[in-house]
Amino acid sequence: KNQVEQSPQSLIILEGKNCTLQCNYTVSPFSNLRWYKQDTGRGPVSLTIMTFSENTKSNGRYTATLDADTKQSSLHITASQLSDSASYICVVSSGGSNYKLTFGKGTLLTVNP
Amino acid sequence: GAVVSQHPSRVICKSGTSVKIECRSLDFQATTMFWYRQFPKQSLMLMATSNEGSKATYEQGVEKDKFLINHASLTLSTLTVTSAHPEDSSFYICSATPTHRTDTQYFGPGTRLTVL
Repeated sequence: KNQVEQSPQSLIILEGKNCTLQCNYTVSPFSNLRWYKQDTGRGPVSLTIMTFSENTKSNGRYTATLDADTKQSSLHITASQLSDSASYICVVSSGGSNYKLTFGKGTLLTVNP
Repeated sequence: GAVVSQHPSRVICKSGTSVKIECRSLDFQATTMFWYRQFPKQSLMLMATSNEGSKATYEQGVEKDKFLINHASLTLSTLTVTSAHPEDSSFYICSATPTHRTDTQYFGPGTRLTVL
């Protein structure tokens, strides 16, 4: 069964600090892994996408890593801002004829002043 | 580019009524659209896959007669919640896959449905 596990479930940090969110997956066949940011009451917005051959991808203050061997990914946020407060969702796409997305439950990040 | 809109953003209705939610891809054509439901503090749950010009494919446990999906054009899919009940109250999100990039989904902003 395809699964995506995220940790921690929630995280509170102070503005300006860095943090790292984790994602472990068991999805086969693997096509790509995306990190999304979802503000409360809004749809998910893509931050990064990585395929099997990519092990790091940056988007501004967001840097995602992927270890396809251990099936782990991380999202590192540097110099956090209040607007980073949101749920961060790891989504793994299975490829081939059975294209499907497997969603993690997300990490709820709160950035306090 | 790659904008997906939903309408309405919020709707409140009485129990027993039907509600229609629209999902539009604004600047691309989408052969496939997906409908998700999200409960508080939960992840998105796929309800159905909608293909233009054909019947939707529903996930296990989703009643097709209750959640009617129509994908009449390459830019519009609608979800109708029929005879809505309070337990149908949820956040409904659609996504669309561009015809030229079938490995990508762009999400709409969601529709908050509250059934009284």
